[in-house]
Amino acid sequence: SAVISQKPSRDICQRGTSLTIQCQVDSQVTMMFWYRQQPGQSLTLIATANQGSEATYESGFVIDKFPISRPNLTFSTLTVSNMSPEDSSIYLCSVNRGTDTQYFGPGTRLTVL
Amino acid sequence: TQLLEQSPQFLSIQEGENLTVYCNSSSVFSSLQWYRQEPGEGPVLLVTVVTGGEVKKLKRLTFQFGDARKDSSLHITAAQTGDTGLYLCAGASGTYKYIFGTGTRLKVLA
Repeated sequence: SAVISQKPSRDICQRGTSLTIQCQVDSQVTMMFWYRQQPGQSLTLIATANQGSEATYESGFVIDKFPISRPNLTFSTLTVSNMSPEDSSIYLCSVNRGTDTQYFGPGTRLTVL
Repeated sequence: TQLLEQSPQFLSIQEGENLTVYCNSSSVFSSLQWYRQEPGEGPVLLVTVVTGGEVKKLKRLTFQFGDARKDSSLHITAAQTGDTGLYLCAGASGTYKYIFGTGTRLKVLA
């Protein structure tokens, strides 16, 4: 298994500001994933973060809006930049164990006013 | 674009009843996972199915992967209030990426 923690667990932010979300894993992993879960909806992959290289973003997500850092094999950050109310969501990080097992952090619940 | 449609979207049943949740796609997946998510938490993996036609049982939960690996079902026998949550299927797209289904929100009433 994998133990994943996220900070903050929740935040309320003003429009136009930025928030950085941290994800810490209890063991080294090659890839870390960032997802968004909008209210009442399913999960959408934002990007994949590999250590030592730039993150790979999915269609509809760009680096200027969601910059990601991956300084080592156990840690990653996702920044939500220039926030608007439409960015209100739960942001989740995850890691893989083997080919078919994925573990998620508890999520960061973001509300933008 | 690969899509996974789940049905029903919402389900409210009495404790002790049986239910089935469906996950359908026009795409073939190499494997498919089922998760349960409770409020304030991340999704928790319940099962992974890999082989077409595969059936896996986890206590009162029975998971089936379609023969063509395009669809799956989750059947819960004698539902309990602890089964309440958001159920998500996810299909493996490539070696490490997953496409998540639209979700089924289950509420089991005492």
